[in-house]
Amino acid sequence: DVKVTQSSRYLVKRTGEKVFLECVQDMDHENMFWYRQDPGLGLRLIYFSYDVKMKEKGDIPEGYSVSREKKERFSLILESASTNQTSMYLCASRSPGVPNQPQHFGDGTRLSIL
Amino acid sequence: AQTVTQSQPEMSVQEAETVTLSCTYDTSENNYYLFWYKQPPSRQMILVIRQEAYKQQNATENRFSVNFQKAAKSFSLKISDSQLGDTAMYFCAFMRPRYSGGGADGLTFGKGTHLIIQP
Repeated sequence: DVKVTQSSRYLVKRTGEKVFLECVQDMDHENMFWYRQDPGLGLRLIYFSYDVKMKEKGDIPEGYSVSREKKERFSLILESASTNQTSMYLCASRSPGVPNQPQHFGDGTRLSIL
Repeated sequence: AQTVTQSQPEMSVQEAETVTLSCTYDTSENNYYLFWYKQPPSRQMILVIRQEAYKQQNATENRFSVNFQKAAKSFSLKISDSQLGDTAMYFCAFMRPRYSGGGADGLTFGKGTHLIIQP
């Protein structure tokens, strides 16, 4: 089974801090994704990466950046955390080899910015 | 850009009943993929079922089946013989293949339907 691991289940940070959310997958997937989930809004795509050192903006990239130095790891960075970034963050990975392959998700990080 | 609409924020049915969750989407693409994901209170997103737009036959997975109407851009999920463990948030999602190699943009999700199965 695919395993996508997010480093923290819960995280509390202060406004203005630089925050790192880490995601690791163990299936050698080329594609990785970061979403945020808010009640009543569903999941929205922040950034994604097709392969190592590649990244593309999703629907809501403002205030975020990402890093993909190794294939298995995809980091989401909040450069200067703000209270409106309090949310659930979900990481996913996918193999592009077969077009209908689904994304596999981690358990999520619930981030609170105080 | 694609949009996905789930018009039922919450539904509640009795155990063993059949329930249908609705999903409509808007796209100009001809080739795409549709998914239903389930998110129980444990927060793990679990794939329920998938459908390729080029396939006319509706996908089925045990008690779960879809009614895919491409012309109407509708993709509803039917759960038969519902069980207590089916209680969860259900998300409909759209994926457009980015290129022939299979790489893709991220998923576009609906806002979700909270399904409650009553004992």
